[in-house]
Amino acid sequence: DQQVKQNSPSLSVQEGRISILNCDYTNSMFDYFLWYKKYPAEGPTFLISISSIKDKNEDGRFTVFLNKSAKHLSLHIVPSQPGDSAVYFCAASNTDYKLSFGAGTTVTVRA
Amino acid sequence: SQTIHQWPATLVQPVGSPLSLECTVEGTSNPNLYWYRQAAGRGLQLLFYSVGIGQISSEVPQNLSASRPQDRQFILSSKKLLLSDSGFYLCAWTSGRRQPQHFGDGTRLSIL
Repeated sequence: DQQVKQNSPSLSVQEGRISILNCDYTNSMFDYFLWYKKYPAEGPTFLISISSIKDKNEDGRFTVFLNKSAKHLSLHIVPSQPGDSAVYFCAASNTDYKLSFGAGTTVTVRA
Repeated sequence: SQTIHQWPATLVQPVGSPLSLECTVEGTSNPNLYWYRQAAGRGLQLLFYSVGIGQISSEVPQNLSASRPQDRQFILSSKKLLLSDSGFYLCAWTSGRRQPQHFGDGTRLSIL
């Protein structure tokens, strides 16, 4: 039973424009959410996180939005750069030490 | 600063052979440690996690086992590999709840 879903397997965006990645979750007990970036043959790299007591967190070009009522999470990347081309994973946790991951969205930034 | 080491980077093994993948963390004490597998085109599946020496929790029934002989060492093992054990194996650590997990560079395991 997949509790974290990324329904868009891929996203193509022009360099300089905004990339918006979406994530939905089903477990209302999740209270901590993260985004990871992954290049081929490497481990995921932590990008940004948000606690359920907030609805927005910003770090440079990356902003994460949380809509608890809709059980929806999104990551905005502005402006998109060629180095942003990678697979992005959404993850969530509740009161335990485990993360539940989505299947990932492959982002391609076009020059 | 903290670092995580995982080896080998690539491994090709015959069906029925044993497996031992090692992961060590430096620069922190009493980390929570994790083993994940990523199958081709899929997300990350949690296999095992450990909150302390000798404490192992298994998430899915499988042909694999994990051990934590030292505080910052986590080992993934199998006595007899199956074709279905092929995949990309990742080790991760975190300092506690509501902290990001940090991943190693992974091991690409191919079973022939």
